[in-house]
Amino acid sequence: GENVEQHPSTLSVQEGDSAVIKCTYSDSASNYFPWYKQELGKRPQLIIDIRSNVGEKKDQRIAVTLNKTAKHFSLHITETQPEDSAVYFCAATSYNFNKFYFGSGTKLNVKP
Amino acid sequence: GAVVSQHPSRVICKSGTSVKIECRSLDFQATTMFWYRQFPKKSLMLMATSNEGSKATYEQGVEKDKFLINHASLTLSTLTVTSAHPEDSSFYICSARDQISRDEQFFGPGTRLTVL
Repeated sequence: GENVEQHPSTLSVQEGDSAVIKCTYSDSASNYFPWYKQELGKRPQLIIDIRSNVGEKKDQRIAVTLNKTAKHFSLHITETQPEDSAVYFCAATSYNFNKFYFGSGTKLNVKP
Repeated sequence: GAVVSQHPSRVICKSGTSVKIECRSLDFQATTMFWYRQFPKKSLMLMATSNEGSKATYEQGVEKDKFLINHASLTLSTLTVTSAHPEDSSFYICSARDQISRDEQFFGPGTRLTVL
């Protein structure tokens, strides 16, 4: 099955700096890669996603890049704000979308 | 749109009792619903995938007789934790996939189960 690894487990940045979270996956058949933000005690919320036919996608301060050959994808947050502080999870789906495999999560702390 | 509700949000029960958790897609039809378990400060662990009208597919290591899943309609899936024990205490989250927009899954708010 799919194995998704995520790094780092914790990340502390100063407000205004950029944050990068990286994930790798093992199944070359995976073709959809969402990123979720989860605040304490709340449900995960989709913040951005990318499909395998695209190399990069951007939405305001958030961007995701995908390298299919190397089987890794990254989340980039620019101009970080304290409200970006949360746990971020990457995920990858099997080719038929029947299973979503999650990374271990990154706790992002943005210091004001 | 794409709202998923979960009930109850919190439940405390005695060891040996059974607890049912409901997951509903409120404004869309979900052919597939997923059940996850999340331990404190840990990632989401997929327990099972349920498709409407068919048996759930359980992940390795998840006891299907202990975690009964029913997906009777396109908007409702239930997870029953049978003969609950303290080690079953956890945060259980469901998600649902819109059958039209097949990629994204929408999460419920979760259920905090505490077994005494």
